[in-house]
Amino acid sequence: EAGVAQSPRYKIIEKRQSVAFWCNPISGHATLYWYQQILGQGPKLLIQFQNNGVVDDSQLPKDRFSAERLKGVDSTLKIQPAKLEDSAVYLCASSFPGYNEQFFGPGTRLTVL
Amino acid sequence: AQSVAQPEDQVNVAEGNPLTVKCTYSVSGNPYLFWYVQYPNRGLQFLLKYITGDNLVKGSYGFEAEFNKSQTSFHLKKPSALVSDSALYFCAVSYPGAGSYQLTFGKGTKLSVIP
Repeated sequence: EAGVAQSPRYKIIEKRQSVAFWCNPISGHATLYWYQQILGQGPKLLIQFQNNGVVDDSQLPKDRFSAERLKGVDSTLKIQPAKLEDSAVYLCASSFPGYNEQFFGPGTRLTVL
Repeated sequence: AQSVAQPEDQVNVAEGNPLTVKCTYSVSGNPYLFWYVQYPNRGLQFLLKYITGDNLVKGSYGFEAEFNKSQTSFHLKKPSALVSDSALYFCAVSYPGAGSYQLTFGKGTKLSVIP
C-alpha cells in the first residue's frame, strides 16, 4: 500500500515570496490534515479536511495561508507572502473518517531566507 | 483544552538497557493516547496507541506504554534499547468527544542510545 506522498521535499525561498506544497493521501482516506512542525516543537495542526470540506481551520493563519482539496483527494497548502517564521516542516497526514490513527507523509522542509 | 507534556528534551541510554520516555497529558474525559517516532528527514511513524482496556499497550519494534489514569501519564518503555531506536519520539493525545480525532502533540523527546 502506497503511503502519503508529499512534494517537494525541500524548498528554499526568500521572504515575501509565495510557495505551495502538495499532498496525495492514502487511497480511500477521506480525512486529510496539514501540520506545521517548527524546529524543536511538536507538529501543530493547521487544517483538517473531510473529503473536500474543511472540518477545522481555526489555527490556520488565514491572512497568508490557504489550503484546498477540490476533488476530495489531493490537497495543496499555499503560503503567500512567506515570513521568516514560516520556516518549518509541513506534514500531511490522512486517515479513514472516524478512525483515530493518522498516517503521515515525509514532509516538506521550508526555509525562508 | 487538551495538552501533552514531555518533560525531557533528551534521554540517553546505553544499548541493552531499558528505556523510558515520559509523557503526561491533560484532557477532560477519556483520552486517546499515541506515541509516534520520527527519524531524520522522515515523517512520523505510528508506534502504539491506548484507546481503552488493558493499561499496558504493546506496539511496534518491541515498544510498550503504560496508561496511568491517576497520574495522567502514558510513558513509553522498551526492555532493551537498540542503537537503531535513536530518534525523536512524540506523545500525542486526541479527545474523541470533539468528533474529529485531532492530535495534540508534545514537543518531543530525543532518544540517544549509546553503543
